[in-house]
Amino acid sequence: QKEVEQDPGPLSVPEGAIVSLNCTYSNSAFQYFMWYRQYSRKGPELLMYTYSSGNKEDGRFTAQVDKSSKYISLFIRDSQPSDSATYLCAGTSGTYKYIFGTGTRLKVLA
Amino acid sequence: GAGVSQSPSNKVTEKGKDVELRCDPISGHTALYWYRQSLGQGLEFLIYFQGNSAPDKSGLPSDRFSAERTGGSVSTLTIQRTQQEDSAVYLCASSTYSQNEQFFGPGTRLTVL
Repeated sequence: QKEVEQDPGPLSVPEGAIVSLNCTYSNSAFQYFMWYRQYSRKGPELLMYTYSSGNKEDGRFTAQVDKSSKYISLFIRDSQPSDSATYLCAGTSGTYKYIFGTGTRLKVLA
Repeated sequence: GAGVSQSPSNKVTEKGKDVELRCDPISGHTALYWYRQSLGQGLEFLIYFQGNSAPDKSGLPSDRFSAERTGGSVSTLTIQRTQQEDSAVYLCASSTYSQNEQFFGPGTRLTVL
């Protein structure tokens, strides 16, 4: 079992939809959680960086962490075709060693 | 400001050759990391630098892989006697300190024929 699991997708949604991307993790020591967006043939771009449980909002993006169930989510409101990318989640216990999921490919259809 | 840069963006080499991949971190970032991303796989940690020292090399897959960092800035990842299984995207990231957010470069796509 991988430490961080993600459904690879692809997840296809119409423009304007609310998107929910999810990860589960197994390491109870994880305290920090990250979401990266990766366009094809580009490097990952940091979207959200959260600590412990709770919600964090940034524009159209909301990151949610539920440590009791070891479940992390990224919600995208009013999705746009430009949001089409692979979304990577990651966790860490607070050190430099990020453990990444394999990514979920999202397609937002115009 | 300038982000993390990597060169070359693409590298095609023949099995058995040596390759060098370069990373220029964000100015002032003391921590630098190398990851490998293979098709269908998540990012795989290779090595971590704090300044010019590499306190964690645990992710390097074999002794054919080595890395160095000079002047607390530029880093080079060297793969000797490349094998086909080394084909992947090699990503570099940097952060202000080891516990802060990591910012990635665009990666070097390595293809070993």
